[in-house]
Amino acid sequence: KAGVTQTPRYLIKTRGQQVTLSCSPISGHRSVSWYQQTPGQGLQFLFEYFSETQRNKGNFPGRFSGRQFSNSRSEMNVSTLELGDSALYLCASSFGQGYGNTIYFGEGSWLTVV
Amino acid sequence: AQSVAQPEDQVNVAEGNPLTVKCTYSVSGNPYLFWYVQYPNRGLQFLLKYITGDNLVKGSYGFEAEFNKSQTSFHLKKPSALVSDSALYFCAVSRAKERDDKIIFGKGTRLHILP
Repeated sequence: KAGVTQTPRYLIKTRGQQVTLSCSPISGHRSVSWYQQTPGQGLQFLFEYFSETQRNKGNFPGRFSGRQFSNSRSEMNVSTLELGDSALYLCASSFGQGYGNTIYFGEGSWLTVV
Repeated sequence: AQSVAQPEDQVNVAEGNPLTVKCTYSVSGNPYLFWYVQYPNRGLQFLLKYITGDNLVKGSYGFEAEFNKSQTSFHLKKPSALVSDSALYFCAVSRAKERDDKIIFGKGTRLHILP
């Protein structure tokens, strides 16, 4: 069974640009979560989608957005990139939402903003 | 709101010795607790979780964790450390019986196993 797939794995963007990251969950998983990982802040929750609806949102500015498609694949978008957005963006999927469902992570997308 | 603390940024253990990575949590109601491991330049891998039942949970790679409700702790343990256990370990918590509840992660503890 294929794991969570994230694309692209590495990318470099210029300040002010926008970026879209993609996530394909494990087959059969309907919940997708996104996290930002930085050395100083650790793992910060961005948002969670279940059945194409955003169920939870972390404390990030509106420049960070996401969506989920009918096949459970998800994308996140960051507009007007800032240097501080440089991070590893991790996508995780689970079969269901909450109730102790284990979430499984992809390898992440490394974003560098210059 | 729930929170999780990993009081040690780094833990050093000699190979073959037992290891403990500490985690304490704060949550209203009963918790679901998780441990994940991250190797360099990789995503997080699931190790084990506590949902209910036996306080001692066994997981992957010989790891186990003990749920202690009175001390609100969920420490990760292994009887004999391997050099290959060197990695970044994350503890996480969510609230039991809450469907719309996100999983919150600690800041991580870097484990160094010394040969």
